[in-house]
Amino acid sequence: GQQLNQSPQSMFIQEGEDVSMNCTSSSIFNTWLWYKQDPGEGPVLLIALYKAGELTSNGRLTAQFGITRKDSFLNISASIPSDVGIYFCAGLRSGGSYIPTFGRGTSLIVHP
Amino acid sequence: NAGVTQTPKFQVLKTGQSMTLQCAQDMNHEYMSWYRQDPGMGLRLIHYSVGAGITDQGEVPNGYNVSRSTTEDFPLRLLSAAPSQTSVYFCASRGSPSLYNYGYTFGSGTRLTVV
Repeated sequence: GQQLNQSPQSMFIQEGEDVSMNCTSSSIFNTWLWYKQDPGEGPVLLIALYKAGELTSNGRLTAQFGITRKDSFLNISASIPSDVGIYFCAGLRSGGSYIPTFGRGTSLIVHP
Repeated sequence: NAGVTQTPKFQVLKTGQSMTLQCAQDMNHEYMSWYRQDPGMGLRLIHYSVGAGITDQGEVPNGYNVSRSTTEDFPLRLLSAAPSQTSVYFCASRGSPSLYNYGYTFGSGTRLTVV
């Protein structure tokens, strides 16, 4: 079964607020990925993290690869209505099949 | 535009019917996977392939078959549809693992209802 705990499960915020979500695991990952899924569409890759402690930004999004390699965080600053969607984290271990393990997602709703 | 193409976008089946969900990618990606998405369950891996002629089971393979005769195509077959297979199905692909290249590209999904 899935090994990633993603929280919170859902968020209801006002436009302009900052958002934080995270993923934790009981085992180590070598790569963390963050995806966004718009309603009715497939997930789209937002940020990829490859080194422990790495902090990477993509516009208003910032993600961090936890030092312990067992967690990752995604922050969205100054949210806007188009940020609505489901955000997924995914972890990969090097070697083997390179198949990502996905979290269950954080559903974000932004009120104008 | 290059990417992952899934057909059909919507499908209604009767219990016991069989069908094939199509997935094609034009990026020459070696790795392809099928996921199902159910409310509150995230993305669960059904089957995956690391190259033509090579497939393996994921987390929830029962009731599904796959084959990979070409690099481009990775069809998912439902052998005898059951209401529990009502879900949104996503196909995804990626190139060979290399430094800084681990993200999968997803199709837009097939929404399947089994009645």
